[in-house]
Amino acid sequence: GEDVEQSLFLSVREGDSSVINCTYTDSSSTYLYWYKQEPGAGLQLLTYIFSNMDMKQDQRLTVLLNKKDKHLSLRIADTQTGDSAIYFCAERGLGGSQGNLIFGKGTKLSVKP
Amino acid sequence: NAGVMQNPRHLVRRRGQEARLRCSPMKGHSHVYWYRQLPEEGLKFMVYLQKENIIDESGMPKERFSAEFPKEGPSILRIQQVVRGDSAAYFCASSPDGVGGYTFGSGTRLTVV
Repeated sequence: GEDVEQSLFLSVREGDSSVINCTYTDSSSTYLYWYKQEPGAGLQLLTYIFSNMDMKQDQRLTVLLNKKDKHLSLRIADTQTGDSAIYFCAERGLGGSQGNLIFGKGTKLSVKP
Repeated sequence: NAGVMQNPRHLVRRRGQEARLRCSPMKGHSHVYWYRQLPEEGLKFMVYLQKENIIDESGMPKERFSAEFPKEGPSILRIQQVVRGDSAAYFCASSPDGVGGYTFGSGTRLTVV
């Protein structure tokens, strides 16, 4: 079945770049998403990429997609303490209905001052 | 333009009671999705609704759970005869067209005691 895998933890120093990685199994994925969740809060959409793209940049965020290896990454430049949160990778495949996103378990990013 | 509104934020129910969770989508959004997040887990899709129609309920447990999105008013997720295993955060998301990013609410945290 479809699966999305992420490492569970990442720790970086303030000002460094963070790279959060994600792998997925559904080769028919159409859209891939990155969401941010702060403690006790809902999910905030950070960015998404269509599967025919290999890169998308939005201010401090850069998304790279390697469709051959089914690997997605989120790079946060100049990481700040306010970036500390859990980051979820999600995919939307052709198999499920349009709202059926498959989420990873999330990567907890800790930013040390 | 208010985001996706969910209420209540926290809900405590005794085993055997009913839980009703409400979701008002963003203005102009006619697609609503419910997800469940167990502790230390990613989100799992439950159901996708449009006004007065259930489009995909492949993630809904077969018994005790139901969802509706009436012509007027919020979408409701109902859990009858709750059990301890129903304790989780329940998130609602909406989108205008089901294609791009989905906007999530802040969730309802259900605790069954």
